[in-house]
Amino acid sequence: GENVEQHPSTLSVQEGDSAVIKCTYSDSASNYFPWYKQELGKGPQLIIDIRSNVGEKKDQRIAVTLNKTAKHFSLHITETQPEDSAVYFCAASMGTGYALNFGKGTSLLVTP
Amino acid sequence: ETGVTQSPTHLIKTRGQQVTLRCSSQSGHNTVSWYQQALGQGPQFIFQYYREEENGRGNFPPRFSGLQFPNYSSELNVNALELDDSALYLCASSREGTYNEQFFGPGTRLTVL
Repeated sequence: GENVEQHPSTLSVQEGDSAVIKCTYSDSASNYFPWYKQELGKGPQLIIDIRSNVGEKKDQRIAVTLNKTAKHFSLHITETQPEDSAVYFCAASMGTGYALNFGKGTSLLVTP
Repeated sequence: ETGVTQSPTHLIKTRGQQVTLRCSSQSGHNTVSWYQQALGQGPQFIFQYYREEENGRGNFPPRFSGLQFPNYSSELNVNALELDDSALYLCASSREGTYNEQFFGPGTRLTVL
């Protein structure tokens, strides 16, 4: 089955700096790669996603890149703010009707 | 638009008991997936329901079962609870025809003593 690895497990940055989280996946059939933000006591919130026919997608301060050849994708957060502090999960899926396979998460701390 | 809701929020059971968790999908969504999230881990796929039928299952034993109702709401049932079943149980809904955008509820925290 699909195996998703995520690094780093913890990340601490100063407010205003950029944060980068990286994931690799094993199944070349995966074609959908979402990122979720999970705050304490809440369910995961979809923040951005990318499909295999796209190399990069941006939404305000958040961007995701995908390298299908190398089977890795990354989340980039610019101009970080304290409210960005949370656990971030990457996931990979073969599309509609298939499971989301999650990484183990990255705990991001943004200090003022 | 109403988001995904789950009940109850918290639940405490003893080993060997049975539990039922409930989920109401987001408006317009007809597919429901269930995930188990152990502390400090990513969610693990349990199964998915589409048109009231199980449509895919992860590596979970048969004592984990589910239902989907005509209004697309869903239940997760766990029999013969074990201590390792203690986790956050998440429900996610999605709509056929989308790539696989799944929207999660707040989860039910199950503690097995």
